[in-house]
Amino acid sequence: DTAVSQTPKYLVTQMGNDKSIKCEQNLGHDTMYWYKQDSKKFLKIMFSYNNKELIINETVPNRFSPKSPDKAHLNLHINSLELGDSAVYFCASSGGGRGRRSEQFFGPGTRLTVL
Amino acid sequence: GQQLNQSPQSMFIQEGEDVSMNCTSSSIFNTWLWYKQEPGEGPVLLIALYKAGELTSNGRLTAQFGITRKDSFLNISASIPSDVGIYFCAGHGSGGSNYKLTFGKGTLLTVNP
Repeated sequence: DTAVSQTPKYLVTQMGNDKSIKCEQNLGHDTMYWYKQDSKKFLKIMFSYNNKELIINETVPNRFSPKSPDKAHLNLHINSLELGDSAVYFCASSGGGRGRRSEQFFGPGTRLTVL
Repeated sequence: GQQLNQSPQSMFIQEGEDVSMNCTSSSIFNTWLWYKQEPGEGPVLLIALYKAGELTSNGRLTAQFGITRKDSFLNISASIPSDVGIYFCAGHGSGGSNYKLTFGKGTLLTVNP
């Protein structure tokens, strides 16, 4: 009965590779988010989708491309990985189901290490 | 853009002590939230506040929405070792995107048994 799930939990890859992270929520929410948490633990919003429509697109390199096939899923594809992309990526969801819109529920995170 | 100042950055306390941390903003928020993140996990919502002056408890945790709507406080009473983690404040709404949370930089809490 996991609320927000992400795969994989850990991702180790070489510079220049392309990789994807997947997120799914079963809370009935209509909005999903991607955050990046750096080594200093600062949480930075990257993208948000509401009912499959992109509504937040922060200053993120265009090597990062989110895709939302339906409102329960939000994936993140990263092209040409760089060393600086190493971080923990969190998916979150809110709105229309459990909790109010402002109450975001986070997944367990994907630790990406680029070598 | 909106910024949140969270303090202290870190705290080292003895088991049984009370803890206080706070967040201040340069602009007003409609909602304040407090999250806890344990190592290797995602942030977990502890308390959400929706009205200026509101005081809400969740077990040993108590949070308040400041009257000016520019600050919030979190208190933990009688701390225990499992309180260890990073506590984040977050603000929502009023002038920014209706969907966007602004996060503080976190307070790292260490509890010595």
